[in-house]
Amino acid sequence: NAGVTQTPKFQVLKTGQSMTLQCAQDMNHNSMYWYRQDPGMGLRLIYYSASEGTTDKGEVPNGYNVSRLNKREFSLRLESAAPSQTSVYFCASRTGAGLAGGRGDTQYFGPGTRLTVL
Amino acid sequence: SQQGEEDPQALSIQEGENATMNCSYKTSINNLQWYRQNSGRGLVHLILIRSNEREKHSGRLRVTLDTSKKSSSLLITASRAADTASYFCATPASGTYKYIFGTGTRLKVLA
Repeated sequence: NAGVTQTPKFQVLKTGQSMTLQCAQDMNHNSMYWYRQDPGMGLRLIYYSASEGTTDKGEVPNGYNVSRLNKREFSLRLESAAPSQTSVYFCASRTGAGLAGGRGDTQYFGPGTRLTVL
Repeated sequence: SQQGEEDPQALSIQEGENATMNCSYKTSINNLQWYRQNSGRGLVHLILIRSNEREKHSGRLRVTLDTSKKSSSLLITASRAADTASYFCATPASGTYKYIFGTGTRLKVLA
């Protein structure tokens, strides 16, 4: 069981370049999440997918797009990277099939992608 | 901001001492969770306490929840150097699939 995997681990981009962060989970979870973590800010939700075929905006979606390719994979795309998107990005998946706060509320996190935009 | 708040922001203690960190949140919740993050790693789930529970234990961890004050505390007893990490609380946003994370407490345990 690999859990939640993310690629790449590190990335440096120039302003205006695009890239896709990949995330996959092998725990058959329905819900998946993309967060960014900045110093002193905790985790902020970018996008989430409650189930295969659905995606919704989180707290800070501007400048990002997502694709829930299948139940396992949830990718995050930066179309035109900006220095403000320099951050550590975490993907997570969640036990439980219903709304947050129900049974199975544990999130499992990937190791993160450290992105620098110059 | 929807984020919860944790205090202290940073805590430095000697090995063997107890470490207490607190979390305050803003809305009614069904449960509250605590996560640990080692430097350079993803978050790891530690413990979940439901809204009808006042206290929960797991090994050296003790979590309390006071829903009237909208606050929770995490106590780590007999701390070890390996407990050095950041600790975050998280609460479900009612009626959504989303979670609200606190800003975290950075714990340093000195050997």
